[in-house]
Amino acid sequence: DAGVIQSPRHEVTEMGQEVTLRCKPISGHNSLFWYRQTMMRGLELLIYFNNNVPIDDSGMPEDRFSAKMPNASFSTLKIQPSEPRDSAVYFCASSWDGETGEQYFGPGTRLTVT
Amino acid sequence: KNQVEQSPQSLIILEGKNCTLQCNYTVSPFSNLRWYKQDTGRGPVSLTIMTFSENTKSNGRYTATLDADTKQSSLHITASQLSDSASYICVVNFGNEKLTFGTGTRLTIIP
Repeated sequence: DAGVIQSPRHEVTEMGQEVTLRCKPISGHNSLFWYRQTMMRGLELLIYFNNNVPIDDSGMPEDRFSAKMPNASFSTLKIQPSEPRDSAVYFCASSWDGETGEQYFGPGTRLTVT
Repeated sequence: KNQVEQSPQSLIILEGKNCTLQCNYTVSPFSNLRWYKQDTGRGPVSLTIMTFSENTKSNGRYTATLDADTKQSSLHITASQLSDSASYICVVNFGNEKLTFGTGTRLTIIP
């Protein structure tokens, strides 16, 4: 199993540009999570999908952030327009049996907004 | 507000020594508590998951303990190795499908 796959691994963009992060969960997992990690705030859950349906998006910081999961094997996190304070490492994780199951994290996308 | 606090923030020990990392939480009700290891530049990897009814769980040289009465958990690492250098994150699930993360302990093992 290849594990959770994220792309790109690194993204540098200018303020105001649209950024799209991609995630492929582990095959057979029915839950997918997007996290953001910064030195100041640690890991924060942004949004959680179960069976491709968004269950909890209360962690999404503002309307500039949106996430989709069109099918069981793909999800995107979009930031439009991006701001310097969005600079962070964004992780995708997947699990079986919702949040009670063990979560497997991808390698992350390091986003830098200048 | 549910919080998870870890101590120390950072720790440096000699290779071969033991160490203990602490986690205090205020989350209630409590579903399960997890310890993750995160190597630099990589995603977190689960070490242990404990429910409120478990008070100890081991994974090789890693042993996690839980005292649900005092809302404290610890992660004990035995005979440390250079590869143990990482951040260790305590995560509490209070059952409403949202995990609360500690800010982690940065552990450095020196030869």
